[in-house]
Amino acid sequence: GQNIDQPTEMTATEGAIVQINCTYQTSGFNGLFWYQQHAGEAPTFLSYNVLDGLEEKGRFSSFLSRSKGYSYLLLKELQMKDSASYLCAAERGYDYKLSFGAGTTVTVRA
Amino acid sequence: DTGVSQDPRHKITKRGQNVTFRCDPISEHNRLYWYRQTLGQGPEFLTYFQNEAQLEKSRLLSDRFSAERPKGSFSTLEIQRTEQGDSAMYLCASSKREAANTGELFFGEGSRLTVL
Repeated sequence: GQNIDQPTEMTATEGAIVQINCTYQTSGFNGLFWYQQHAGEAPTFLSYNVLDGLEEKGRFSSFLSRSKGYSYLLLKELQMKDSASYLCAAERGYDYKLSFGAGTTVTVRA
Repeated sequence: DTGVSQDPRHKITKRGQNVTFRCDPISEHNRLYWYRQTLGQGPEFLTYFQNEAQLEKSRLLSDRFSAERPKGSFSTLEIQRTEQGDSAMYLCASSKREAANTGELFFGEGSRLTVL
């Protein structure tokens, strides 16, 4: 089965750093995706981790620990446009199907 | 634009009516997914296709829901005898999942259904 947990809301100040944690219990786990979704829009791809460790991509980084069933998304130098919902999604290995968490709404304040 | 397109973008219907949504995926993508999303929640899996074969349908999905992908290209999602609880955003996504790539999903803009 699939069980994906992430915090509901986070608030941070412009220029700061925010870390969004995600824990998962996924049978046949293969990899972990992060998506960004602005209000009223479709989700867009941010990152994908299949190996343990940190993947850095500009202001955004994502970390995975397969043994702990844990990932985080790190957003640095926050900008107002980063205010959005961030979705953690676990990929099942035998058919690559994605199951999403409920999303974390990040609000960036001036 | 060569992204995923969905039609209609908005649909308002009365309870008990049937509705159909269409999704045109990115042309070279062999996988097509339908998700449902309500306010404040993440996308909830409904069903997916590899080419024209429907490989999985969520157990949460009642028999009122049916999806097809007849030629392995576009797909339709039909909801029969709609209920107010069906009101949601219906998202379509496509991917080209192979060992050599990440298989990220590309989402359409969604079809928002309101059942009165």
